[in-house]
Amino acid sequence: DAKTTQPNSMESNEEEPVHLPCNHSTISGTDYIHWYRQLPSQGPEYVIHGLTSNVNNRMASLAIAEDRKSSTLILHRATLRDAAVYYCILRRGAQKLVFGQGTRLTINP
Amino acid sequence: DAGVIQSPRHEVTEMGQEVTLRCKPISGHDYLFWYRQTMMRGLELLIYFNNNVPIDDSGMPEDRFSAKMPNASFSTLKIQPSEPRDSAVYFCASSFGGGPTDTQYFGPGTRLTVL
Repeated sequence: DAKTTQPNSMESNEEEPVHLPCNHSTISGTDYIHWYRQLPSQGPEYVIHGLTSNVNNRMASLAIAEDRKSSTLILHRATLRDAAVYYCILRRGAQKLVFGQGTRLTINP
Repeated sequence: DAGVIQSPRHEVTEMGQEVTLRCKPISGHDYLFWYRQTMMRGLELLIYFNNNVPIDDSGMPEDRFSAKMPNASFSTLKIQPSEPRDSAVYFCASSFGGGPTDTQYFGPGTRLTVL
C-alpha cells in the first residue's frame, strides 16, 4: 500500500471549519483515498472515501487535488464530539486497512 | 443492528495463561478482521477471514497467536501462552464485500493486560 503523510496533531475551535491535510505523493491510479477516525476509547469508524472527485456526506467533505497527490478532509463545523485521531488511508484492492499514525484533532470549546 | 460485538471488553491475566477474545460480526458481512493497537506500533492487522476462511495471517506475530472462525457469526483470537508484550487493545471489524470501497465496521475492542 502507498504511504500517506499527516500532521501529528491539529487544534481548532468549536463551530469552526477544520481542514485536515494528507499527502500521498506515491498514489497509484487505482488507489482509493479513505478516511477513518477513532474517538477516545472506541474503535475506528469510517468517515468518507473518494477516488478522483470531491465527495460530500453527512459527516464531512473530501477534497482531492487534481494530481491526486494530496487530499483534505473538511469538517464544516467542528463540535467537541469531533475530537479524535483521523487516519488517511490508501486502498487499492486488498481488503485490509493499513493505518498510519494519523492526526490527533483537538477541539477547543 | 447491534454492530460488531466483542467480549470481554477488558481482560487482565497473568503471564503464561491462555486468553480467548471473541467477536460477533455484523449479520450478513462476509469479511472479518482482527487488529491490534499499541502505543508503539499503532493499529495493525493481524488476520482476516472471507466466508469463514483465513485469507491473510501474515500479521499474526507468532505461533502463540491463533484465530478461528467456525461460522459466519463468531470468531475467536487465542493467545497461548500470553506474555506482557501482548498487552494491547484488540479490535474486531467486519465488512460486506471485497472491494476497495467497502467500509469496515469496528467493534469497541478488548483491552488486554498481561501481568
